[in-house]
Amino acid sequence: EAGVAQSPRYKIIEKRQSVAFWCNPISGHATLYWYQQILGQGPKLLIQFQNNGVVDDSQLPKDRFSAERLKGVDSTLKIQPAKLEDSAVYLCASSLDAGTDTQYFGPGTRLTVL
Amino acid sequence: GNSVTQMEGPVTLSEEAFLTINCTYTATGYPSLFWYVQYPGEGLQLLLKATKADDKGSNKGFEATYRKETTSFHLEKGSVQVSDSAVYFCALNPFSGSARQLTFGSGTQLTVLP
Repeated sequence: EAGVAQSPRYKIIEKRQSVAFWCNPISGHATLYWYQQILGQGPKLLIQFQNNGVVDDSQLPKDRFSAERLKGVDSTLKIQPAKLEDSAVYLCASSLDAGTDTQYFGPGTRLTVL
Repeated sequence: GNSVTQMEGPVTLSEEAFLTINCTYTATGYPSLFWYVQYPGEGLQLLLKATKADDKGSNKGFEATYRKETTSFHLEKGSVQVSDSAVYFCALNPFSGSARQLTFGSGTQLTVLP
């Protein structure tokens, strides 16, 4: 069974530029999460989708971050404009459904903002 | 609120030594507890989980017991290998059996020397 796929693996941009990350969850997984992991810290949730609906985006900086999961499968996370403090690893995770608490993580996208 | 406190690292051990990484938690509900492992340059992999008090999770020689009375979920392994070198994260889901965001500890870096 294929795992969670993410691309790109690495991205370097200058501040005030925009960037987008893509995630394809495990086939059949209805729940999708985006986490931000700053160096030396544990991941923190940005947004959670159930199919194509948002369940929790309370920690998403909505003035610059946006995410969508239009067809309930893959998802895109965008930052516009980027700030230096956005340098982090962005992790996508998925779980089977609303009644499953085990999450499976992708390899992450490491973003460096200069 | 929900929080996870992990033993500060880094931890350096010789091969075949005994490992303990302490984890305590605060949760408002009946959480599920997890240990994830992150190898260099990779995403988080689920190592083990426990869903209720006194449950023991185990995998690849690692064990952790869900202790409600001490709100702890310490990770142990009897004999570590060089290949166990990684960062270990303790995490909780505040509502066992439900797809909710994970709250992570800050991680513990383990280095095993030959």
